[in-house]
Amino acid sequence: GQSLEQPSEVTAVEGAIVQINCTYQTSGFYGLSWYQQHDGGAPTFLSYNGLDGLEETGRFSSFLSRSDSYGYLLLQELQMKDSASYFCAVRGATNKLIFGTGTLLAVQP
Amino acid sequence: ETGVTQTPRHLVMGMTNKKSLKCEQHLGHNAMYWYKQSAKKPLELMFVYSLEERVENNSVPSRFSPECPNSSHLFLHLHTLQPEDSALYLCASSQSRMQSYEQYFGPGTRLTVT
Repeated sequence: GQSLEQPSEVTAVEGAIVQINCTYQTSGFYGLSWYQQHDGGAPTFLSYNGLDGLEETGRFSSFLSRSDSYGYLLLQELQMKDSASYFCAVRGATNKLIFGTGTLLAVQP
Repeated sequence: ETGVTQTPRHLVMGMTNKKSLKCEQHLGHNAMYWYKQSAKKPLELMFVYSLEERVENNSVPSRFSPECPNSSHLFLHLHTLQPEDSALYLCASSQSRMQSYEQYFGPGTRLTVT
């Protein structure tokens, strides 16, 4: 079967750093993407790791370890506007994107 | 218009109705997707089109019928739906099917089946 696991909820305070983990088990793996979705909004692309290691884009970084079937999204200098759901998604066989159930991040003042 | 647009934003329909959802992308992309998003469940891929050809049908019931007349437009025709089909239907596009890791989503159509 195919599965992606993420924590369902994470809470952090403004200015802090938070890490959202994702472990996966899929048939075929080409890379790991991360998406952000605000309540009532459309998912928006954040980052993609096709190779092992860390990718940095501003306050957000994403990491992948293929040998551990594991990745994470790191959000630094948290802001209230970062409160949203975050989805990891595996690019698998036939280039399909398989999404996790999402992590609801609540940023508190 | 920029990005990916979807109409209508909200739709309420009875189980015997026929309706269509429309998606348009203004990004010059070659691949388009339909997803279903239900509460507490991951986004479920329904259909994939690449250069107007359907390349993926993810075991979707026949009461959902997609149509892609050109690379900018995608439709989802609905008929004799069930209450469990109530969900947010999202359209997305990517530069190509190979670049499916970076998809651009529309705002979705919130569908309620009564």
